[in-house]
This record gives sequence, structure tokens and C-alpha cells, in this order.
Amino acid sequence: AQSVAQPEDQVNVAEGNPLTVKCTYSVSGNPYLFWYVQYPNRGLQFLLKYITGDNLVKGSYGFEAEFNKSQTSFHLKKPSALVSDSALYFCAVSRSLMVRGGKLIFGQGTELSVKP
Amino acid sequence: DAGVIQSPRHEVTEMGQEVTLRCKPISGHDYLFWYRQTMMRGLELLIYFNNNVPIDDSGMPEDRFSAKMPNASFSTLKIQPSEPRDSAVYFCASSISGTGSGEQYFGPGTRLTVT
Repeated sequence: AQSVAQPEDQVNVAEGNPLTVKCTYSVSGNPYLFWYVQYPNRGLQFLLKYITGDNLVKGSYGFEAEFNKSQTSFHLKKPSALVSDSALYFCAVSRSLMVRGGKLIFGQGTELSVKP
Repeated sequence: DAGVIQSPRHEVTEMGQEVTLRCKPISGHDYLFWYRQTMMRGLELLIYFNNNVPIDDSGMPEDRFSAKMPNASFSTLKIQPSEPRDSAVYFCASSISGTGSGEQYFGPGTRLTVT
């Protein structure tokens, strides 16, 4: 069965410091991995995805994520955090890309708080 | 494109009443997903459709919940009768099949309060 774990409910970072939001996954076969961000009272917005190829994936708003197959991780990173990055972040995994649905399994979310 | 459109944005109803949530997916997308988000349970997939056909409704909590997709541009999620524990934010999302895709585009959500 597919599963995603985000071990931290909350991450606190000072503005200008690097940030990391952790995600580990479990899936049989090759994983397809996604990060989404949710701002208050909004729907989820796609940030980036890993399908294949380079393990370092770059996405929107200066975010990037590194796929590590041996550690089954897909941590979200940003070199310099902004107060406006404060939001809820979701990691998601799929076992297929729209073959039999491409259903995404979401983690529980990590609340990122960036203080000035 | 206007993105995924959901209506209403807010719904307050009394226990026992019927509630209908509406969704218009992005034009050309062939998958449509309904999710529910609560503090306690996080984000739950309720049901999804491919080309207007329900593929997996295993997340639908009870028979009180039903979903339809009569055409490619419209879907409804109905709760009848509604209960206070149904209070949540309901999201609709759509996506397009094929390699190189996979990401889902979410609507703004409908905040449902059942009193």
C-alpha cells in the first residue's frame, strides 16, 4: 500500500534562513512525488513534482526538493525563507501517472511558520 | 482558464437538510476528484471520476454521500441528510491524464457547516 509520512506537524524558521520540510514515502515500484502548498482559506496549489530523471527538482517560488531513493525521502527545501512562505505544505505520492487513476496519497501536512 | 470553480464557497445548514456542492473542472481535464479536509482527519479523497465515470468511491464515508458527473464540465457532491460531523472544507480537483502530467489543480473549496 502507498503511504506518505510528514514527521513534523510544524516547522519554525527565521526569515532568511534555509528551510526543510520533510517527507518520506512508501510505494511499490517507481514513485511519483509531489509537493503542494495551501495558504489560509485557499485550495492546494501545486509546487513541484518528481517523475523521473534528475533527483533535484526545482519548482515554484524558489522551492526545490530532492528525491532520495535509498532513504525513500522527498524533502522540500528553500535556501532563504520568506515570511510569505508561511503556509501548510503537503507531500503526496502516486504509483502511476493517470494509469488506473493516478490517485494521489497525501501526507498529513506540515505547518511552516517563518518569523521576521 | 478560470481554474477549478466550486460553489457555493460557504454553506451553513441545519442537521437533516440536503446539501449539494458543485464543481466545474478545468476544460480538457479528464479526471475529477472530491476531497474533504478537517483538522482531525486531514485531507481525505472521497471519490474520483475519469471521463465522467466513477472509478473509486471507497473514500465516501456513508450512503448519505453521493456524487455524480453528468458531463465533462460539471460534478456534484450531495449529502442527504447532513449531520454536524460532515462539517468540513470540501475540495474539488481536476487533472489531465498522460505522462508528464499528474498534478491536480484544486478549487477554492466549499466550507460546510452543519448545525
